Amino acid sequence: QQKVQQSPESLSVPEGGMASLNCTSSDRNFQYFWWYRQHSGEGPKALMSIFSDGDKKEGRFTAHLNKASLHVSLHIRDSQPSDSALYFCAASELTGGADRLTFGKGTQLIIQP
Amino acid sequence: EAAVTQSPRSKVAVTGGKVTLSCHQTNNHDYMYWYRQDTGHGLRLIHYSYVADSTEKGDIPDGYKASRPSQENFSLILELASLSQTAVYFCASSRLGGHAETLYFGSGTRLTVL
Repeated sequence: QQKVQQSPESLSVPEGGMASLNCTSSDRNFQYFWWYRQHSGEGPKALMSIFSDGDKKEGRFTAHLNKASLHVSLHIRDSQPSDSALYFCAASELTGGADRLTFGKGTQLIIQP
Repeated sequence: EAAVTQSPRSKVAVTGGKVTLSCHQTNNHDYMYWYRQDTGHGLRLIHYSYVADSTEKGDIPDGYKASRPSQENFSLILELASLSQTAVYFCASSRLGGHAETLYFGSGTRLTVL
């Protein structure tokens, strides 16, 4: 069973619009969450992390974590064509860390010019 | 920004042959990782290392060996390559192993086993 599940698998958003990506964990041990972004032909790059309940904002990107429901979301406002990429949610356990990061399957985001 | 270099960028291997993928980082990071990416599976951890001359098994270590001869270098070895090992392989590094540590990935090696 996939411990970190992402939805939707694919998302198309017009340029300038809001993109919303979702991630849910089925393992209550997962408490720390990351978002990584991968452009075609490149390796993933860390976008942002969130470890506490509530919102965390970095520029056009806002992550929201609800530990009770083990749900984390990523919202991208004013989407740009350069935001087109594969977005991964990753989680680690209370007793784990970067050496025990579990990735979801990813959401393919397409920004339509 | 952290620099992780992988070689080769792509490789075609024959079934049953030996394959070595190399990774080099110049950031003085203690931790290095090998991940595998397949369509529909995301990224899965194969092996990792937190110190030279020592490696640890990840989530899918079967069929793979790893070697960390120095802090900067980390290799992934397929002794007997199989068709199911066709995938894109990513090396990554992090300063330490805590949950707040950022992983820095290389550009990947696309391996095709025929």
